[in-house]
Amino acid sequence: TQLLEQSPQFLSIQEGENLTVYCNSSSVFSSLQWYRQEPGEGPVLLVTVVTGGEVKKLKRLTFQFGDARKDSSLHITAAQPGDTGLYLCAVNTNAGKSTFGDGTTLTVKP
Amino acid sequence: EPEVTQTPSHQVTQMGQEVILRCVPISNHLYFYWYRQILGQKVEFLVSFYNNEISEKSEIFDDQFSVERPDGSNFTLKIRSTKLEDSAMYFCASSPTFGTGVLAFFGQGTRLTVV
Repeated sequence: TQLLEQSPQFLSIQEGENLTVYCNSSSVFSSLQWYRQEPGEGPVLLVTVVTGGEVKKLKRLTFQFGDARKDSSLHITAAQPGDTGLYLCAVNTNAGKSTFGDGTTLTVKP
Repeated sequence: EPEVTQTPSHQVTQMGQEVILRCVPISNHLYFYWYRQILGQKVEFLVSFYNNEISEKSEIFDDQFSVERPDGSNFTLKIRSTKLEDSAMYFCASSPTFGTGVLAFFGQGTRLTVV
């Protein structure tokens, strides 16, 4: 059983469309991170959410942490080709390591 | 902006050879990590390191692997006898503190190809 389940696995949309990707778990977390990774590069941290129900905005990206702190979503408004990449959610354990989901591969076509 | 740097960016080695992957963590960070990502698969934790000791390691981190902080700036991952299945991107990360919610900063990775 995966600690973090991300969906969808793949998403291909046209420029200008909106989209939402999800990160779900049966476990409760004190915080959750979203990363974006481009091919051949390391994950780049986008945001960390801490409080149940928290909503954070980063330009056209809106991140939400579920009320029960078991799940999170990432919504992108008016997607652009530059948004193309692998979106990963991750959580830290008490040992400090990060456990990642499988990711959602997003392709935004011009 | 401070960043984690890794060298080389790409390493090709023959099966059975030893490789050393190098990392320079962010200078005031105290906790260091190695992760790997096999092509098309998820990022997997290998090991965490603090105060010149391994803090935690995964089941992937077997006797073939070792880590070292040989001086005040470098953090290395050694694979003693590489196997084909060791081919992957290896990411180094560092963090200033330790614990749940602490964020690690990742390097750009070293692509290891074992032939």
